[in-house]
Amino acid sequence: NAGVTQTPKFRILKIGQSMTLQCAQDMNHNYMYWYRQDPGMGLKLIYYSVGAGITDKGEVPNGYNVSRSTTEDFPLRLELAAPSQTSVYFCASSDRDNYGYTFGSGTRLTVV
Amino acid sequence: GQNIDQPTEMTATEGAIVQINCTYQTSGFNGLFWYQQHAGEAPTFLSYNVLDGLEEKGRFSSFLSRSKGYSYLLLKELQMKDSASYLCAVMDSNYQLIWGAGTKLIIKP
Repeated sequence: NAGVTQTPKFRILKIGQSMTLQCAQDMNHNYMYWYRQDPGMGLKLIYYSVGAGITDKGEVPNGYNVSRSTTEDFPLRLELAAPSQTSVYFCASSDRDNYGYTFGSGTRLTVV
Repeated sequence: GQNIDQPTEMTATEGAIVQINCTYQTSGFNGLFWYQQHAGEAPTFLSYNVLDGLEEKGRFSSFLSRSKGYSYLLLKELQMKDSASYLCAVMDSNYQLIWGAGTKLIIKP
């Protein structure tokens, strides 16, 4: 049982470049989330999805986009990378019935 | 606004007991979570409280007082592997998790 799989684990981007962070879960969870975690700060919600075809903005959505074409996949897109987007990104999923979140292993992104 | 407060850092001795406090102010309440996060790793679920009182799970216990907006995580018989950050999170009325910044726990021999 893989749980939540995130790729890549590390990435260095130049300012203005774009990339997609991949997230897939095999637990048939309806709810999926993207967070960023900056040093000494709490997790900040970027976007979330309550099911295939449905996405919504979280606390810090600017500079990001998401899609949810299937239950399993929830990619996060950075269109024009900026140094302020240097962070660790976590994808998570949950089942409303038990509320606990399962996290992916994270993507450490540096924008230079 | 919504706010979760917990101490930034705590130090304790191997074999001892430590209590990590969390106070919260949120729009609605649908439960409080504690997660453990080792350096460079993802958070992992420790406990969930939705009713007042103490929930015990092995060496770890979590307490909730909804009227006081207060919770604590109690760790007994501390081991070196317990060195980690402990994140408090509250699920608000929209079923979104609001996260504290985490408490870094340092265990000394």
